[in-house]
Amino acid sequence: SSELTQDPAVSVALGQTVRITCQGDSLRSYYSSWYQQKPGQAPVLVIYGKNNRPSGIPDRFSGSSSGNTASLTITGAQAEDEADYYCDCRDSSGDPYVLFGGGTKLTVL
Amino acid sequence: QVQLQESGPGLVKPAGTLSLTCAVSGGSISSGNWWSWVRQPPGKGLEWIGEIFHSGSTNYNPSLKSRVTISVDKSKNQFSLKLSSVTAADTAVYYCAKMIAAPYYFDSWGQGTLVTVSS
Repeated sequence: SSELTQDPAVSVALGQTVRITCQGDSLRSYYSSWYQQKPGQAPVLVIYGKNNRPSGIPDRFSGSSSGNTASLTITGAQAEDEADYYCDCRDSSGDPYVLFGGGTKLTVL
Repeated sequence: QVQLQESGPGLVKPAGTLSLTCAVSGGSISSGNWWSWVRQPPGKGLEWIGEIFHSGSTNYNPSLKSRVTISVDKSKNQFSLKLSSVTAADTAVYYCAKMIAAPYYFDSWGQGTLVTVSS
């Protein structure tokens, strides 16, 4: 079956820009979504579709996609952005199902 | 904004069946969305378990399909998860979530409930 691959950990200096990537064949057919998860909390949607932010998500979060790779970019990272980030994607190569990436731990230095 | 709330036993014996319910408030479960279960073992990533449409149509994670049943009760505005033959590997925080279709994304999540499999 398909899978989504993320780097396990990424770090960024406060105020700098960081890109978190997600790779998988399913991304050629479907948009990825991105979720932020802080310790002890449920995931929160930060990007969906081509590059859409839910209400309340700062505009420093943006998304993009090319081929089999989706990216989440944080422009001007803040201390409160330190969290785990997960991508997901729907796969319909057989019966429909949802894939999650393994998650990326973002550290803001 | 729809709100989701999981409920069910926090402790299940090995070889038993895990049963959880997700109550939906602030909106109708018949609103045309997919309703999912997602789990997260301690210290690990998210794993999609399966989903149900209000019509009763279901899709399951192939790796869990033989043990999972998801059902919907429109009269109570809730949906449920049953996972049979559980082992310690099924110990996790279980979340229910609402998926919007086309593009597909989870826009609402429950707070999660920890289920421990232990004798």
